[in-house]
Amino acid sequence: AQRVTQPEKLLSVFKGAPVELKCNYSYSGSPELFWYVQYSRQRLQLLLRHISRESIKGFTADLNKGETSFHLKKPFAQEEDSAMYYCALMNSGYSTLTFGKGTMLLVSP
Amino acid sequence: GAGVSQTPSNKVTEKGKYVELRCDPISGHTALYWYRQSLGQGPEFLIYFQGTGAADDSGLPNDRFFAVRPEGSVSTLKIQRTERGDSAVYLCASSLIGRAEQYFGPGTRLTVT
Repeated sequence: AQRVTQPEKLLSVFKGAPVELKCNYSYSGSPELFWYVQYSRQRLQLLLRHISRESIKGFTADLNKGETSFHLKKPFAQEEDSAMYYCALMNSGYSTLTFGKGTMLLVSP
Repeated sequence: GAGVSQTPSNKVTEKGKYVELRCDPISGHTALYWYRQSLGQGPEFLIYFQGTGAADDSGLPNDRFFAVRPEGSVSTLKIQRTERGDSAVYLCASSLIGRAEQYFGPGTRLTVT
């Protein structure tokens, strides 16, 4: 069975501080991992996926198969980064996303 | 272009009643997904459609839940004999077949009193 764990419910940082949102996964196959973000009063939207290896809004995430992790990082947090972040794992059939419970990021001025 | 839309945005119903939740996917997206998000949890998969057929309904919690997509576009999630535990936000998403990126709707907040 596939599982995604986000150990932190809430992460509170000051503007300009580095951010790391943790995500660990359990999956027997070759994982495809995503970070989704939900800003206040907006719908869930894709932030980035590990295959694309790109930086979106200054965020990056590297898949570490040895540690089964896909942590989300940003060197300098901005107030507009405050949102709910979900790590998600796609199954090999592209039929289901398994989400973690989410981490609320609060960036204070 | 228009994104995924869901109606109603909010639904309050009494225990034991029947409800229907509607999802209108992005035009041209043949894959459609339903998720349920309870308070403090991430979205949980319910069912996946490829075109008109349910390709994976392993996430439906019991036989009170049913979903259809008769013409391969709009989908309806149907819940019979609602229970208070069914209260949640029901999310719909769509994607192109074979593409991992799913586009989510705003959700329907269902409250069973």
